[in-house]
Amino acid sequence: ELKVEQNPLFLSMQEGKNYTIYCNYSTTSDRLYWYRQDPGKSLESLFVLLSNGAVKQEGRLMASLDTKARLSTLHITAAVHDLSATYFCAVDIMVVASGTYKYIFGTGTRLKVLA
Amino acid sequence: DAGITQSPRHKVTETGTPVTLRCHQTENHRYMYWYRQDPGHGLRLIHYSYGVKDTDKGEVSDGYSVSRSKTEDFLLTLESATSSQTSVYFCAIRDRRQGYEQYFGPGTRLTVT
Repeated sequence: ELKVEQNPLFLSMQEGKNYTIYCNYSTTSDRLYWYRQDPGKSLESLFVLLSNGAVKQEGRLMASLDTKARLSTLHITAAVHDLSATYFCAVDIMVVASGTYKYIFGTGTRLKVLA
Repeated sequence: DAGITQSPRHKVTETGTPVTLRCHQTENHRYMYWYRQDPGHGLRLIHYSYGVKDTDKGEVSDGYSVSRSKTEDFLLTLESATSSQTSVYFCAIRDRRQGYEQYFGPGTRLTVT
């Protein structure tokens, strides 16, 4: 069964602290995506990771991809309240039978940054 | 912004009634997807389309059908709505120009009473 697992599922952290969210997946994929979702809103793209060893950074967030370990991380540096949201990872996979593409999402990590 | 709109944005309907949700895109993307989002489950794929009249099932397709008669429109139909289909529904496209990134519509909140 294809699975994308995130941990932790919930994260409450103090402002100024660092933390890492992990995304493990069970199938071969060279493309992994991170999204942010605010309450009541749609998903917003954060990072696109397209190869082994890819690293992307935007502000206090940095994402990396290790395709051999089937692991991606989203690292938060010196958290601020505005980062409070739910974060999802997703992998892009090919459906062999049809040659088409679909995405499998993790269940999300709900982050709360306390002032 | 990939020019994705969804309609309606909110709907309340009764059990047993048919419901159709519409997703519209303006940028001629080949792939379109329908997801549902429920607490504790993340996003789950219902159906997707890889071209006009070309569709395939996702992981939670039971009770749903789709149609794509034009590139720009992807319709999701609940033939006979049930309370278990109360959810938030998101449409998305696959953008091959941006690393095959997905862009999402604003969502439709559906309540089945």
